[in-house]
Amino acid sequence: DAGVTQSPTHLIKTRGQQVTLRCSPISGHKSVSWYQQVLGQGPQFIFQYYEKEERGRGNFPDRFSARQFPNYSSELNVNALLLGDSALYLCASSAELREQYFGPGTRLTVT
Amino acid sequence: AQSVAQPEDQVNVAEGNPLTVKCTYSVSGNPYLFWYVQYPNRGLQFLLKYITGDNLVKGSYGFEAEFNKSQTSFHLKKPSALVSDSALYFCAVREQLKAAGNKLTFGGGTRVLVKP
Repeated sequence: DAGVTQSPTHLIKTRGQQVTLRCSPISGHKSVSWYQQVLGQGPQFIFQYYEKEERGRGNFPDRFSARQFPNYSSELNVNALLLGDSALYLCASSAELREQYFGPGTRLTVT
Repeated sequence: AQSVAQPEDQVNVAEGNPLTVKCTYSVSGNPYLFWYVQYPNRGLQFLLKYITGDNLVKGSYGFEAEFNKSQTSFHLKKPSALVSDSALYFCAVREQLKAAGNKLTFGGGTRVLVKP
């Protein structure tokens, strides 16, 4: 079975711009979570969605938003990009509240 | 609030020797505990989990971890390290309460370097 897929792989944006990151979960997984991993640190939780409903939100500003579609894929949107938003953005999927499986990530660079 | 501490930024071990990566946690109530490994320019790969039951948990690639409730620890171990085990290792915790959702809190990571 295919694992979690994310697109794009790399992205370069300018301060103030907006970005959309995409994630497709493992087939059969209804829960998708997003994490931000800044270089040299552990991942930080941003959002969890389950059955298209938000189930959890981390300590991130309102510039960050997400949604989940009927096929359980998900998008993460970040508005008004700041230099500090440069990071690896990881998507993870799971079956209900079981262990999460991570995608390869999207490397976002804000200049 | 939940937290994870990985006290060692880096662990160096010779190939064939035992490997231990330390992790302590803090969480309200009972924890779910996880270990993940990250290779350069890759996402996180699941190694093992503790949910309940035996304190010694066996996972992928010969790794195991020991849950110690009194010491709030969940150390990762491998009896004989391989050069290919060189990577970044993350410990993570989640509350067992369903209302807590699926939020994982990660430690800062421990870089493992296995020398030939």
